[in-house]
Amino acid sequence: KQEVTQIPAALSVPEGENLVLNCSFTDSAIYNLQWFRQDPGKGLTSLLLIQSSQREQTSGRLNASLDKSSGRSTLYIAASQPGDSATYLCAVRGDSNYQLIWGAGTKLIIKP
Amino acid sequence: GAGVSQSPSNKVTEKGKDVELRCDPISGHTALYWYRQSLGQGLEFLIYFQGNSAPDKSGLPSDRFSAERTGGSVSTLTIQRTQQEDSAVYLCASSPRGPSYNEQFFGPGTRLTVL
Repeated sequence: KQEVTQIPAALSVPEGENLVLNCSFTDSAIYNLQWFRQDPGKGLTSLLLIQSSQREQTSGRLNASLDKSSGRSTLYIAASQPGDSATYLCAVRGDSNYQLIWGAGTKLIIKP
Repeated sequence: GAGVSQSPSNKVTEKGKDVELRCDPISGHTALYWYRQSLGQGLEFLIYFQGNSAPDKSGLPSDRFSAERTGGSVSTLTIQRTQQEDSAVYLCASSPRGPSYNEQFFGPGTRLTVL
């Protein structure tokens, strides 16, 4: 059974710092991995999607990497801004079905 | 353009009452998903619709939970005889095609509190 873990559960850093959020999964037979952002009272926003055959994806200040063999993904945020404050969720889709299996999230606070 | 909408945004109910949660997907999206996010836990899949049929109901936690979709559009998630453990945020997502399409677009959720 696939399990997804995110570390740390919460992170507070000053504005301008570069930071890394971690996601690990137990079953390497994945179809893809996605990083989402969740703001209070709002829906989930997809940030980056990495196919199982890819190693990384980039969008603006965000870079996500995937190491299937070790069951790990990282989300790198460069030059963090207060507007980046949110909960970041990692979700894995398995090879055999389309259900997304989710981590519990990392709550990120960027201090001005 | 309109995104996925859900109503109500908040629902407080008494234990034992029935509740209905509504999801309006993005127009033209054929696939619709329901998820539940309990406090301190990750999201869990509940049910998936392709058109009006539900090929996968495996995530529904008990027979008190049911869902339907009409006209290939609006979906309603019904929880009968609510229990306190049903308290959670219920999220709906839609995608343009079936599960082979990667991206799901999420609504803002309905926060359900069972007293």
